[in-house]
Amino acid sequence: AQTVTQSQPEMSVQEAETVTLSCTYDTSENNYYLFWYKQPPSRQMILVIRQEAYKQQNATENRFSVNFQKAAKSFSLKISDSQLGDTAMYFCAFIYSNSGYALNFGKGTSLLVTP
Amino acid sequence: DAGITQSPRHKVTETGTPVTLRCHQTENHRYMYWYRQDPGHGLRLIHYSYGVKDTDKGEVSDGYSVSRSKTEDFLLTLESATSSQTSVYFCAISDSTGSGANVLTFGAGSRLTVL
Repeated sequence: AQTVTQSQPEMSVQEAETVTLSCTYDTSENNYYLFWYKQPPSRQMILVIRQEAYKQQNATENRFSVNFQKAAKSFSLKISDSQLGDTAMYFCAFIYSNSGYALNFGKGTSLLVTP
Repeated sequence: DAGITQSPRHKVTETGTPVTLRCHQTENHRYMYWYRQDPGHGLRLIHYSYGVKDTDKGEVSDGYSVSRSKTEDFLLTLESATSSQTSVYFCAISDSTGSGANVLTFGAGSRLTVL
């Protein structure tokens, strides 16, 4: 079975600081995709970043970057220069094998950005 | 959530009644998914579809059925609603090809309360 684990249920960070959210996963596959989604209080699910496992270079999207360690099956999200609008639930996700490219989500990390 | 709409957005019903949630897309994407979101569980896959009349079960499919008679519509039915099915339901779509491959786009969610 494939699993995604987010070990930090809640985190907080001050505005303008940097925070890292952890994610580990378990799979026997070699080629796959990993994602971080954000869910603000509006409840809308928003894609933050995507990583392809065969690419060694870590993905980056503006203030968001990942540290992808394939051998360790680790996929952490770093948010730089945190902003109040980053307050949200963050979900790490992994593509299910043999399930129509559905995503398997972790249980989420609730991030609070404080002034 | 442009290109994907869910209806109804909110529904309160009684135990034992049938409920149908509708997901409509205008993106012509092949894959469609239904997830449920509950506190402490993240998002869990209920059913998915990989084409018209082609559907399969996810990890929490008991008590749910789906149908897809047209590319644009994916219906989720609770034949006899139970209180354990009180949840927020998300529909998502995905294109298996192109630059957006494997990226799920989510609807705004439907909050269902079963009394």
